[in-house]
Amino acid sequence: RKEVEQDPGPFNVPEGATVAFNCTYSNSASQSFFWYRQDCRKEPKLLMSVYSSGNEDGRFTAQLNRASQYISLLIRDSKLSDSATYLCVVNPSPTNTNAGKSTFGDGTTLTVKP
Amino acid sequence: ETGVTQSPTHLIKTRGQQVTLRCSSQSGHNTVSWYQQALGQGPQFIFQYYREEENGRGNFPPRFSGLQFPNYSSELNVNALELDDSALYLCASSLGGSNNSPLHFGNGTRLTVT
Repeated sequence: RKEVEQDPGPFNVPEGATVAFNCTYSNSASQSFFWYRQDCRKEPKLLMSVYSSGNEDGRFTAQLNRASQYISLLIRDSKLSDSATYLCVVNPSPTNTNAGKSTFGDGTTLTVKP
Repeated sequence: ETGVTQSPTHLIKTRGQQVTLRCSSQSGHNTVSWYQQALGQGPQFIFQYYREEENGRGNFPPRFSGLQFPNYSSELNVNALELDDSALYLCASSLGGSNNSPLHFGNGTRLTVT
C-alpha cells in the first residue's frame, strides 16, 4: 500500500461545476499537509497548505480529517484554467529517518470543459 | 526574488554513464530537496540537503548522491545510469530544514537514458 493515495481520475467536468478530490495517508504521525498543482510537463506549484481547522482560498477549500487520515480539496465554479493534475503532499513528524521527506501522491487529473 | 533554477533542462545519456544535475535555490532558502518523477507518477523523494549536510534520504541506491554548497546551491549525481533512471528530476528549495515549510520547485531536468 502506498503511503499517500489519490484517485487518479481523470475527472472531466463542465465549467462552473464543483469538484472534490480526496487523498488518504497511512502515517498517523504525519505533521503537515499541502496541495500542489502540476500542469502538463511543468513543475509542481504550491496551491495551498491544509490546516486542521480547514482553510479556504477563493474557490478552493482544503480540509483535513486526522481521525480518518485523509485530506480533501474542493474546487467551486471550475474554470478552464483549473485543468491540471492535483498532487497531495504529506510531511511526517520529523525524526532522524524521515527528516526532510515530503511524500507525494500520484495526483488526480482534472479536465474542465467548456 | 530569484526562484529555483535547474540546469540543464534536457539531457540524453547512455546506459552506464554518469550525470550531474544542478540547482540554485530560491533566494533566502537554505534547504534543497531532490525528487524523481516518472511519467504518470508523483515525485519520489531522493534526498534533502540542509546546511551542506544530507538531511534525509528516500529509497534510492547509493549511486544517487548529492552535494550542497555554501551558497545553498546543490548538485545531484547519478552514476552507472540505468534505463529506469529516465525521468523528470525536480529540485525544490525551502526554508529551515523543517517539515512544515512548503517546497518551491524548479522547472526540472528531463533525463533520457538510452
